[in-house]
Amino acid sequence: KQEVTQIPAALSVPEGENLVLNCSFTDSAIYNLQWFRQDPGKGLTSLLLIQSSQREQTSGRLNASLDKSSGRSTLYIAASQPGDSATYLCAVMRSGSARQLTFGSGTQLTVLP
Amino acid sequence: NAGVTQTPKFRILKIGQSMTLQCTQDMNHNYMYWYRQDPGMGLKLIYYSVGAGITDKGEVPNGYNVSRSTTEDFPLRLELAAPSQTSVYFCASSYGDPNYGYTFGSGTRLTVV
Repeated sequence: KQEVTQIPAALSVPEGENLVLNCSFTDSAIYNLQWFRQDPGKGLTSLLLIQSSQREQTSGRLNASLDKSSGRSTLYIAASQPGDSATYLCAVMRSGSARQLTFGSGTQLTVLP
Repeated sequence: NAGVTQTPKFRILKIGQSMTLQCTQDMNHNYMYWYRQDPGMGLKLIYYSVGAGITDKGEVPNGYNVSRSTTEDFPLRLELAAPSQTSVYFCASSYGDPNYGYTFGSGTRLTVV
């Protein structure tokens, strides 16, 4: 059974700091890994999708890496801003016909002005 | 383009009542999913469908039923609501192609009292 773990559960940083969120998964048989952002009381917004054959993806100040063999991914946020405050969820798409996502429990990020 | 639309946004049910959570998408996605998210947790898969007329159980299906009579609609039925079903419910859809991500609805916040 695929299990996804995110560390830390919560993180508070001053504005301008660079930070790293961690995600690990137990089964390397995946199609892709996705990072989502969730604001309080809202739905999920897709940030980055990394295919199993890729090592990293970048979008603006965000960079996500994937090491499938070790079952790890990191989300790097550069020059953090208060508007980055949200919960960040990692999910892996398991190999198989259903294309199901298995989610971690998230990292709650607070960027202090 | 509306994406994935969920109704209602909020609902309070009494124990033993039943209700249907509606989900519709206008992107002609074959794959549709229902997830629930408990406080401080990631999303867990309830049911999914890979096309009209085809549904299957996810990780936490007990107490729920689904149907998929059209490509667009994927309603989730709660029979005999229990306090353990208090949660936020998200519907999502995708092409089923691992090169593309999911599109999520904005969620239904359900409280059973």
